Amino acid sequence: AQSVTQLDSHVSVSEGTPVLLRCNYSSSYSPSLFWYVQHPNKGLQLLLKYTSAATLVKGINGFEAEFKKSETSFHLTKPSAHMSDAAEYFCVVSVGGSYIPTFGRGTSLIVHP
Amino acid sequence: NAGVTQTPKFRILKIGQSMTLQCTQDMNHNYMYWYRQDPGMGLKLIYYSVGAGITDKGEVPNGYNVSRSTTEDFPLRLELAAPSQTSVYFCASSSSGVPSGANVLTFGAGSRLTVL
Repeated sequence: AQSVTQLDSHVSVSEGTPVLLRCNYSSSYSPSLFWYVQHPNKGLQLLLKYTSAATLVKGINGFEAEFKKSETSFHLTKPSAHMSDAAEYFCVVSVGGSYIPTFGRGTSLIVHP
Repeated sequence: NAGVTQTPKFRILKIGQSMTLQCTQDMNHNYMYWYRQDPGMGLKLIYYSVGAGITDKGEVPNGYNVSRSTTEDFPLRLELAAPSQTSVYFCASSSSGVPSGANVLTFGAGSRLTVL
C-alpha cells in the first residue's frame, strides 16, 4: 500500500524568501516520488521526480526536493520565491512497478509582493 | 505535438442527462487515466486503462463508465448526471509503469463540468 501526506494545505511567503512545501509518504516498497504544479485553471505539469538515483533532485524553475528515507519525506524547496510560483503543488508517490500513482491533497502556495 | 487533448473544456448539464468527456493522446502511451479534482481533495482516480481493451476501476468509479477501443482514445461517460459529479476532470497518460519511476503522467488541460 502507498500513501502520501502533504502537511500544509496553504503556505504563504513573501517574494524573494525561501519556499518549503512538506510531503511525507508511506510505501511498502522503494517508492518513486514526484512533485507536480498546477497553475490556476491549468492542467498539472511535472516539476521533478525521484527514481532511486540521487537523493537531491533538481527540477524546473529553481525547485528541488530531497528524498530522506529515514524520515519518509520528500519536501520541495526553492531558495527565493517568485510571484509566478503561486500555484497548487501536488506530491505523488508510485511504488516501483505500479502504474497507479497516489496524489496528496495539494498545497496552495501564495506569494506576496 | 499535441500531447493529451480533452474536450469539451466546459459543460453544464442538467440532473439526469448523460454525456461523454473525450480524451485523446498522440504519444502512443499505454496507460491512461481519468481523475476528478475537487477543492482541497487533490485528485481522485476514477478509471484507468493499461492498454487498448483493458480498463479497471479506480477509487471513485460510481456513476461513470469508460472504454478503450484504441491506444489513443479513452472517453469517460457520465450516465444520469448528479450534482455530486460537478467537478474538474483530468485525463492523463503515461508510457509505462515499469521500471520504477518511469510513470510520469502527462495531463490534459481539464474539463470543467457543472451539474444543475
